[in-house]
Amino acid sequence: DQQVKQNSPSLSVQEGRISILNCDYTNSMFDYFLWYKKYPAEGPTFLISISSIKDKNEDGRFTVFLNKSAKHLSLHIVPSQPGDSAVYFCAASALKTSYDKVIFGPGTSLSVIP
Amino acid sequence: DVKVTQSSRYLVKRTGEKVFLECVQDMDHENMFWYRQDPGLGLRLIYFSYDVKMKEKGDIPEGYSVSREKKERFSLILESASTNQTSMYLCASSGAGVMNTEAFFGQGTRLTVV
Repeated sequence: DQQVKQNSPSLSVQEGRISILNCDYTNSMFDYFLWYKKYPAEGPTFLISISSIKDKNEDGRFTVFLNKSAKHLSLHIVPSQPGDSAVYFCAASALKTSYDKVIFGPGTSLSVIP
Repeated sequence: DVKVTQSSRYLVKRTGEKVFLECVQDMDHENMFWYRQDPGLGLRLIYFSYDVKMKEKGDIPEGYSVSREKKERFSLILESASTNQTSMYLCASSGAGVMNTEAFFGQGTRLTVV
């Protein structure tokens, strides 16, 4: 069973609007969460992260929100741009316990329509 | 500029062949990883290494082995390639103390086993 879930395989958003990508996790030991972005024929690149001691982290147009009680996080992109079209992977790890694994979700393909 | 380089972008191999995937990083990172990416499954960890000559199994090590003779190089070996190993393979590295945080990925190797 997947420990990190991204239930929307794809998402289409108009340029200038908000993109919201969702991620759910099942392991309550996870305490650090990351978002990676992947263009076709390239490796993933780190986008933004959040520790479980926070509920929000912002970096320019990108904001990640964490709801620990719901085991849910979301990535908000405002405003969305065509260059944001990519696959977004949510990932989680347990810094306080196992040092060895980052668990990735299946990814959400975002299309930003001009 | 940080760099993780995988030796091949595309590979086609025959069933039963021994396959070597090479990865080199120039960031003096202690930790290196091999993932495979499959549709709907995200990135799954095959093996990782936190030091020269050290290796640890990830979630799906069966059918694979690894070698890390030098700090900058991490090789993935398919002992006897099978069609179910057709996939995108991604190498990554990260610095010591940040095993579970930001990782830098190579561009990926798309392997087809026929």
